[in-house]
Amino acid sequence: GDSVTQMEGPVTLSEEAFLTINCTYTATGYPSLFWYVQYPGEGLQLLLKATKADDKGSNKGFEATYRKETTSFHLEKGSVQVSDSAVYFCALYNYGQNFVFGPGTRLSVLP
Amino acid sequence: DAGVIQSPRHEVTEMGQEVTLRCKPISGHDYLFWYRQTMMRGLELLIYFNNNVPIDDSGMPEDRFSAKMPNASFSTLKIQPSEPRDSAVYFCASSYTEYTEAFFGQGTRLTVV
Repeated sequence: GDSVTQMEGPVTLSEEAFLTINCTYTATGYPSLFWYVQYPGEGLQLLLKATKADDKGSNKGFEATYRKETTSFHLEKGSVQVSDSAVYFCALYNYGQNFVFGPGTRLSVLP
Repeated sequence: DAGVIQSPRHEVTEMGQEVTLRCKPISGHDYLFWYRQTMMRGLELLIYFNNNVPIDDSGMPEDRFSAKMPNASFSTLKIQPSEPRDSAVYFCASSYTEYTEAFFGQGTRLTVV
């Protein structure tokens, strides 16, 4: 079945550092790809998405590009802030199936 | 819209008791999902509904778990009897279609002692 793999956390960065969280997937066909963020004590919130190859999703300074050739959807941000500390989930949806979430990557940003 | 609303936010119960978790999806959303989140297993899909009809309950761990959606604006997840290993955060989510993004509630943190 479809699956999503994320880099293991936790990831600890200093404020203004560059962030990359790797995500790769295994799926048949052409899934849609998502990044969700979960702040402490909250539910998951959609951060960005891409629905076809080479699409770039972006939001709040985060971006990710759908790379079908490498089956990847890495999350990047040029300059992280303390308020970005959260758990980040990569997910995919394939038509006729359910959403599949990765295990999540915890990010801690230190001032 | 206020978003997906779950109640209660926290629930502490004794082993063997019945627990009912509640969810109000976003109005107009046809899909409703119940997820369980634990440190060990991450986020697991338990069941989802389309237009109030259960479509896939293969994620429900065992017969102690049941879910209903009597109308488009309300769903329940019931555990009877509860066990300590059921302790987790349970999320409800809804979406307009099955391939659009899901909107999550804030979750119910269940502790079974």
